Amino acid sequence: QQQVKQSPQSLIVQKGGISIINCAYENTAFDYFPWYQQFPGKGPALLIAIRPDVSEKKEGRFTISFNKSAKQFSLHIMDSQPGDSATYFCAARMDSNYQLIWGAGTKLIIKP
Amino acid sequence: DAGVIQSPRHEVTEMGQEVTLRCKPISGHDYLFWYRQTMMRGLELLIYFNNNVPIDDSGMPEDRFSAKMPNASFSTLKIQPSEPRDSAVYFCASSPTENRIYGYTFGSGTRLTVV
Repeated sequence: QQQVKQSPQSLIVQKGGISIINCAYENTAFDYFPWYQQFPGKGPALLIAIRPDVSEKKEGRFTISFNKSAKQFSLHIMDSQPGDSATYFCAARMDSNYQLIWGAGTKLIIKP
Repeated sequence: DAGVIQSPRHEVTEMGQEVTLRCKPISGHDYLFWYRQTMMRGLELLIYFNNNVPIDDSGMPEDRFSAKMPNASFSTLKIQPSEPRDSAVYFCASSPTENRIYGYTFGSGTRLTVV
């Protein structure tokens, strides 16, 4: 119930293509869904986040799509660039609890 | 602000030795989290503090691990005695109360190798 399942584990995309990473959850009490980006040798950094009252949020080339009925959310990176190569983590949080429940991470490689 | 500051960046120690990792959170952040990251287990929450008080330490692997936050600007994670399976990257993160807006800010981590 507390898990967030993330897929794929790794992803290779050509420069200019669309990168898509998916996450699924079970606990309907989750009310906040962030995505974090981690570069080698650095800690994760908040990239974009969404609340379940909206179905989509876009910031630049990054979009979160949220499907409340399916309990799934995904990160889309448009016009993927080599600088986007990193590990991406989805996460979820309940309003009553300040802990984040983390997905396992997706290693994204953008080929030039 | 310089962000979350962790020290040391790298630590190599022999099995059985005591290891102390240090963290300075961002000023004004109410929450502090200690995470461990490995290839096999991903990001694991070890313990977190709110206003210097430990709230949940259920992720601490065993009694060899202990964490303290004596004041709002400093926290330590201690492993005594250390074992090779403790080798990992340890992250400290801090956040304000309203972390849905600002998220967690992670430090750059301490890479611990126990030989």
